[in-house]
Amino acid sequence: DAGVIQSPRHEVTEMGQEVTLRCKPISGHNSLFWYRQTMMRGLELLIYFNNNVPIDDSGMPEDRFSAKMPNASFSTLKIQPSEPRDSAVYFCASDRDSYNEQFFGPGTRLTVL
Amino acid sequence: AQTVTQSQPEMSVQEAETVTLSCTYDTSENNYYLFWYKQPPSRQMILVIRQEAYKQQNATENRFSVNFQKAAKSFSLKISDSQLGDTAMYFCAFMNTQGGSEKLVFGKGTKLTVNP
Repeated sequence: DAGVIQSPRHEVTEMGQEVTLRCKPISGHNSLFWYRQTMMRGLELLIYFNNNVPIDDSGMPEDRFSAKMPNASFSTLKIQPSEPRDSAVYFCASDRDSYNEQFFGPGTRLTVL
Repeated sequence: AQTVTQSQPEMSVQEAETVTLSCTYDTSENNYYLFWYKQPPSRQMILVIRQEAYKQQNATENRFSVNFQKAAKSFSLKISDSQLGDTAMYFCAFMNTQGGSEKLVFGKGTKLTVNP
């Protein structure tokens, strides 16, 4: 299995631009998680889906952030408009029900200038 | 809300020696999982070991073992025969399984350096 796939690996953009991060979970996994890692706040959950349905989005910072999971093999995290404080590493992870073991993708390093 | 505390921001150990990383957590739940993740400079998050709270026996994975003290809410990681490749950030994480939630709560991490 290829593991969790994220794209792009690096993204540099200017303040005000729209940013879209993409994730393909491991085949057969039905839970998908988006995490953000910063020096100040560490690793924090933004949102997670189960069977393509958002279950907990309490970590989404504000309305500028949105996430979708149109099918079992694809999810996006969008930031519009982006701000310098959104600069971070964004991880996607997936899991299978009752297995309780999340597998992480390689992350996307986002820099907003 | 659950919290995870790692009190050692940085640690170092000589190659082949043993090192223990500390982690405490706070929860009122009875059913949960605890994890240690490793993040090398490549920034990939790698699961090292996990412990189910209902199991009294401490989990082990080759050179990695935990000391799980449920009453004290403590979950330390012991790395035996440290290798240079163990140099990484180590994160302790908590998952409350009540109600089907799979949310991971992470500590701030411990930066471990293995010296030759």
